[in-house]
Order: sequence, then structure tokens, then C-alpha cells
Amino acid sequence: DAGVIQSPRHEVTEMGQEVTLRCKPISGHNSLFWYRQTMMRGLELLIYFNNNVPIDDSGMPEDRFSAKMPNASFSTLKIQPSEPRDSAVYFCASSPRDREGYEQYFGPGTRLTVT
Amino acid sequence: GNSVTQMEGPVTLSEEAFLTINCTYTATGYPSLFWYVQYPGEGLQLLLKATKADDKGSNKGFEATYRKETTSFHLEKGSVQVSDSAVYFCALFGGGSYIPTFGRGTSLIVHP
Repeated sequence: DAGVIQSPRHEVTEMGQEVTLRCKPISGHNSLFWYRQTMMRGLELLIYFNNNVPIDDSGMPEDRFSAKMPNASFSTLKIQPSEPRDSAVYFCASSPRDREGYEQYFGPGTRLTVT
Repeated sequence: GNSVTQMEGPVTLSEEAFLTINCTYTATGYPSLFWYVQYPGEGLQLLLKATKADDKGSNKGFEATYRKETTSFHLEKGSVQVSDSAVYFCALFGGGSYIPTFGRGTSLIVHP
């Protein structure tokens, strides 16, 4: 099992540019989560999908952020336009939600720097 | 809503010392409890879990027991190594909410 795959691993962009982060969940997992991690705010849940449908996006900071899951094996998180305060590590996690325990499996993260 | 409270870090220990990282939770229902570990530059990895009261999760010398009466899930290790230096997150899933709840994380630094 390859685990959760995220790309790119590092992204440096200028303020105002569009940024797209990608995630491939573990095959067979039907829940997917996007998180943001910063020193100041810790680990924040941005959005949660179940069976490709967004269930809770209350953690999405503002309209500049959007997420999609067009199929069970792919999800994107887009920031447009990006701002320096968006600099953080973004994690994708998937979960075999129908199994007891609901543990999540995290990807390696994308480190985003907006200058 | 659900919440997880972890002890503030960093926790600094010498190699072979005993480790305890406290975690308490608030939840309705009966959540599953987890400890995750994050090494520098990496994502969170599941360390151990317990799915019901009095269960003990264990892995790599780490242990934690699900204590419903004290709503706690403290992480322990009898003898830490330098390689255990990382950030440790306590988390709960379920318990009346489909949204996982993580603690703020506790940094552990182990000196030779």
C-alpha cells in the first residue's frame, strides 16, 4: 500500500497566484480530510469528504479556499488568490470510515510558502 | 462539542527516562482514542489506539489505557530513546461527532 500521496511536497509562490494542492487517498478509503498546520494555530481541519461528497467545510477559512473530490481516488485544495498568511503545511488524510475506530492515515504534507 | 486537552510542552528528558504525556478528553457517547506521532518534516503517523473503555493500546514500547472514569488516555513509555523525539498528538474520533478532534500536540525532546 502506497499510503496517502500528496503533491507537490513543497510549493513556493507569490502573493496573488493560484495554488493547487493534490491528494490521492488510500484505495478503499471512503473518507478524506484536508488539514492545515501552523505553529500559531496547530492542526486545523479544513474540510471533510465522505464518499466524494463534502460533508463539513466549516473550517475553510474564506472564499479564497475551495476543495473538490471528483472521484474516490483524487482530491484538490485550491487557494485563489494566495496570501502570505496562507503559508503552512497542508495535510491530506483518509479513513476507512466503515471500520471500527475510524483512524486516519496522513499524507506527508505540502509545505506552502507564499511570498 | 468534543475536545482534547494535552499537557503543554516541550517535554525534555534524558535517554532511558520514563515518559508520561497527559491527555484528557470531553465527548458525548463512546469515542475511540488515538495517539499520533509526527517526526520533523513528516505527516502524522498512528502510534496506537483504543476503541473502548479499559482497552490498552501499545506499540513500539508506548502504551496508553482508555480510562472512561477519568476521561483520560495518557501516553507512557518506560525508557525513551533519542529517536523518540517528535511531536505527539492525542485524538478522538466518534463519540457523537463525525469530525475527528485533535489535541494541540506535545513536543518531546530526548537528550543523549
